[in-house]
Amino acid sequence: DAKTTQPPSMDCAEGRAANLPCNHSTISGNEYVYWYRQIHSQGPQYIIHGLKNNETNEMASLIITEDRKSSTLILPHATLRDTAVYYCIVRVGGFFGNEKLTFGTGTRLTIIP
Amino acid sequence: EAGVAQSPRYKIIEKRQSVAFWCNPISGHATLYWYQQILGQGPKLLIQFQNNGVVDDSQLPKDRFSAERLKGVDSTLKIQPAKLEDSAVYLCASSTLADTDTQYFGPGTRLTVL
Repeated sequence: DAKTTQPPSMDCAEGRAANLPCNHSTISGNEYVYWYRQIHSQGPQYIIHGLKNNETNEMASLIITEDRKSSTLILPHATLRDTAVYYCIVRVGGFFGNEKLTFGTGTRLTIIP
Repeated sequence: EAGVAQSPRYKIIEKRQSVAFWCNPISGHATLYWYQQILGQGPKLLIQFQNNGVVDDSQLPKDRFSAERLKGVDSTLKIQPAKLEDSAVYLCASSTLADTDTQYFGPGTRLTVL
């Protein structure tokens, strides 16, 4: 079973920041938070992951609360191409990360023109 | 860099028939995964290979599904015989040993069982 809870759907206006929440209240100390997205008719695409510090890359930012029980994925300037299902996954990562990715049903993000 | 290749992209078969899917991972990626994605659900791992050895096949229905990865490169996933509930997208992914945090997915094979 997925260890995360996400809203089933969200809308965001094009050009605005999209903030996708994820609850993972039972996360363990050695588990990372991962985000993948799946655009229609494509395979999932890795976005970002983090342990406890906030992370940023060219695609997005990941904000993890201090108690690590929730996180937010931020797409700073959403475009129509960001319309996709976004999956938040908790998993043992890093050097010992050979555990499978367990996908839930994710959040369907729709960018509105 | 070429991505994960899968074929065929689409397949329609009758129930009780057999079907096979092929995956070519990214060059140099030692770990290969097969996922099943039923409509409206997230992908579910069926089997994970590291080189040509099986790491996890706990969710593979072994009475009808089989997979192999000869020579630690290409992989095939077979269903024999197929059931209606096997209708799904079958996704292949790969990753390096040094970075299992990032899995690269192929486009998938959409299977319809009639």
